[in-house]
Amino acid sequence: GESVGLHLPTLSVQEGDNSIINCAYSNSASDYFIWYKQESGKGPQFIIDIRSNMDKRQGQRVTVLLNKTVKHLSLQIAATQPGDSAVYFCAETSNTGNQFYFGTGTSLTVIP
Amino acid sequence: EAGVTQFPSHSVIEKGQTVTLRCDPISGHDNLYWYRRVMGKEIKFLLHFVKESKQDESGMPNNRFLAERTGGTYSTLKVQPAELEDSGVYFCASSPGGFTGPLNNEQFFGPGTRLTVL
Repeated sequence: GESVGLHLPTLSVQEGDNSIINCAYSNSASDYFIWYKQESGKGPQFIIDIRSNMDKRQGQRVTVLLNKTVKHLSLQIAATQPGDSAVYFCAETSNTGNQFYFGTGTSLTVIP
Repeated sequence: EAGVTQFPSHSVIEKGQTVTLRCDPISGHDNLYWYRRVMGKEIKFLLHFVKESKQDESGMPNNRFLAERTGGTYSTLKVQPAELEDSGVYFCASSPGGFTGPLNNEQFFGPGTRLTVL
């Protein structure tokens, strides 16, 4: 029969506001994490990464926070712009692994 | 430099038919990965090539899926016979060589092939 897909978590923010996208991971052995941005019709694009020996890393307008205690990752986007509208995925892997494990994604919509 | 390319961008086939997806990685990238995203769910790993060798194919759903990377350049993913649940977007990614793990080794994704099985 037909399978029913999960609805993506969604986040709507006003242009200029800050956005926070959250991700929970399950594997305690994961020690490298990436946030990807996927725009419509395109493949996932690398935004920022963080290793498990850090709890915060900043890029241009983006910050990733890692809380290993509760296995939580977040992506903060400052001064969100319409071009930030996309689906955002977190991905995790371990030093001994060959593959990334992706979250279900969060759909961000920026309201002009 | 050209990015990862995938062909076709869309494919609509009937259940029972065969489809072959192609991925051309970034030139010189030894690592090639196939992923699949089904109906808004998470992106799931299918397999990983290092050059022409299958490093990890633990994510392949079943034996209806066959991936090849002859010569260690482009890769194909064949689905035969296709079933309804195979519908989704198939992504290919590549990364430079030097080691087999993805740690600190950004994967560059292609635009994906949207497969619809009717």
